[in-house]
Amino acid sequence: GESVGLHLPTLSVQEGDNSIINCAYSNSASDYFIWYKQESGKGPQFIIDIRSNMDKRQGQRVTVLLNKTVKHLSLQIAATQPGDSAVYFCAENIGSSASKIIFGSGTRLSIRP
Amino acid sequence: DAGVIQSPRHEVTEMGQEVTLRCKPISGHNSLFWYRQTMMRGLELLIYFNNNVPIDDSGMPEDRFSAKMPNASFSTLKIQPSEPRDSAVYFCASSLAGESQQYFGPGTRLTVT
Repeated sequence: GESVGLHLPTLSVQEGDNSIINCAYSNSASDYFIWYKQESGKGPQFIIDIRSNMDKRQGQRVTVLLNKTVKHLSLQIAATQPGDSAVYFCAENIGSSASKIIFGSGTRLSIRP
Repeated sequence: DAGVIQSPRHEVTEMGQEVTLRCKPISGHNSLFWYRQTMMRGLELLIYFNNNVPIDDSGMPEDRFSAKMPNASFSTLKIQPSEPRDSAVYFCASSLAGESQQYFGPGTRLTVT
C-alpha cells in the first residue's frame, strides 16, 4: 500500500556538524515530497519540497535529495544548530492533487553541545 | 501575518460530551485541512476542503466526527459524543489550492476523561 516511513526514529548530532535524515516511500506515483519540522508544542512547519522530476533541491542550509530508483528521500541540514532540534517529518502527496499529503512517522533530531 | 488561528488551545472534557474545535485559516488561502496527531498513529489527515467544499473526508474516523466550513475564514471540527480515545492534538492547516506547502496552526490539545 501507500506509505511513508523513516529509517531512524532518533538522531543525535554534534552542534556544527551536518545532519542527514532519511525517509523511504512506497508510492511511486507521488509527485511531491515535502519535509516538515515540528518543534515541541508547535504545529509542523514547512521546510522544503521537491517534485518527482527533480533529484536535488537546495534551500537555506538544507538540501533535499530524491532517489526515485530506490524510493528514498533525505534531508541534509548543514552546520546543525541548537534551533534545529525538532521532529522532522517527510510527507508525500497522494493522488493527483498536491494538497492531500500523508506524513511519515518522524525522526527526532537532538543536538549535542 | 496572524497565521492559522485555532481555538481553544486546550480542551478537557468528559466522555460523552460534545467538543467543537475552531479554525481560522490564513486570509486568501482556499484549502483547509484538519489533522489529528497521536503518539500511536502519528499525524493523520482527517478531512480537507477546497473553496469551502469538503473534498476528501476518508480520514474521518467515525460518524461521531464532523467538520464544516461555512465560509472562507472559518471551520469547525466537532466530536459528538467524545470518547477517551479521541484524546490527541488536533491541527488545522491552510494552503493555496494545489500547493504542497501547508501552514499549520498551533493545535488544540484535547483530553477526554
